[in-house]
Amino acid sequence: DGGITQSPKYLFRKEGQNVTLSCEQNLNHDAMYWYRQDPGQGLRLIYYSQIVNDFQKGDIAEGYSVSREKKESFPLTVTSAQKNPTAFYLCASSIVGEAYNEQFFGPGTRLTVL
Amino acid sequence: AQSVTQLDSQVPVFEEAPVELRCNYSSSVSVYLFWYVQYPNQGLQLLLKYLSGSTLVKSINGFEAEFNKSQTSFHLRKPSVHISDTAEYFCAVSDRIRNDYKLSFGAGTTVTVRA
Repeated sequence: DGGITQSPKYLFRKEGQNVTLSCEQNLNHDAMYWYRQDPGQGLRLIYYSQIVNDFQKGDIAEGYSVSREKKESFPLTVTSAQKNPTAFYLCASSIVGEAYNEQFFGPGTRLTVL
Repeated sequence: AQSVTQLDSQVPVFEEAPVELRCNYSSSVSVYLFWYVQYPNQGLQLLLKYLSGSTLVKSINGFEAEFNKSQTSFHLRKPSVHISDTAEYFCAVSDRIRNDYKLSFGAGTTVTVRA
């Protein structure tokens, strides 16, 4: 089955630690995205990548880093510089070249900082 | 840049009653419009989209949305809801001209269907 997988589903970390969230897709999509979801705020874009070895900052990139070494993988690192990292993180992907941007989402990772 | 306003954060509704979720957007350019649904602790699923053509679009599970260009709205409706429609619904827009593959989301509307 084609889709997007995110792991782990739940993640706990202590303050001051970096943590990496995994996102893998087998849809052969060129573009991948990371969003942060907080109650009552909808989804906010952290980073996105339209091609391997290239990525752009979204609206709330501070305290986060990404890499795109493979087409199917787009890991997100939440660094200790992120002031309020507890949130639900969603990864998405889409085709590049379509006239419109329909994004497909993974199941999410819920990060809790203790 | 676009912005999306979902006018209701919470919508309680009884089973088999109709529901309407309101979405307004602001944009200086033409847009594509989407509704996504999120069930508890899951990712988002595309419910329906407006790209061009008929301003009324429908999903396979009974939802419909109408694009109104003059009012910059894309309200979502269902004439008779089921318990299984309990979820959070997000309206989203993307820039038709610029097409930088970025979606702008509203804050979401939580629909709770009661028996």
